[in-house]
Amino acid sequence: NAGVMQNPRHLVRRRGQEARLRCSPMKGHSHVYWYRQLPEEGLKFMVYLQKENIIDESGMPKERFSAEFPKEGPSILRIQQVVRGDSAAYFCASSPRRGEKLFFGSGTQLSVL
Amino acid sequence: DQQVKQNSPSLSVQEGRISILNCDYTNSMFDYFLWYKKYPAEGPTFLISISSIKDKNEDGRFTVFLNKSAKHLSLHIVPSQPGDSAVYFCAASAIYSGYALNFGKGTSLLVTP
Repeated sequence: NAGVMQNPRHLVRRRGQEARLRCSPMKGHSHVYWYRQLPEEGLKFMVYLQKENIIDESGMPKERFSAEFPKEGPSILRIQQVVRGDSAAYFCASSPRRGEKLFFGSGTQLSVL
Repeated sequence: DQQVKQNSPSLSVQEGRISILNCDYTNSMFDYFLWYKKYPAEGPTFLISISSIKDKNEDGRFTVFLNKSAKHLSLHIVPSQPGDSAVYFCAASAIYSGYALNFGKGTSLLVTP
């Protein structure tokens, strides 16, 4: 009964490269949320997806960031042309139904050199 | 704009005593409130929640109180144990946002023996 799985745990990229963060929700969960935590800050909502659909992306920067949750496979958060300010911990969470508590993964620490 | 505020970045309590963590919110549309606990290098784990139709919810040593008129909630831990030392995040959500959680910046609790 695996929890929310995120990989990689640590990702180092140089400025201008692409970062791909993966999230496999808990079994039976079809709702996925991505959050970002900057140093000394709380978790900031980025995007909420439900299988193949983006429900709410109000927290996602308009440029360079995208997210998907295909019918098969993990959810992917993609950051193109990374900049130093993208360095943060990115957490994925899932829930079985809308409105229920979220279960978080251990996060991906992105470092941009 | 920070809709959920935890004004105490840190709190130190002696083992066996009560820990009280506070949280204020500004959005009157929030109808579901949660507390999460986070250890370093791990994702947040759910602790306890309360819906806006209640003013108190208890689970073992943990009790959450909600004062809607003051837009304030608090988490009481009694008795506090050294293993409770962690960062505690208050979160709030509303049905109109698909229950995407808005987090406070967290309070770091240290329980000393």
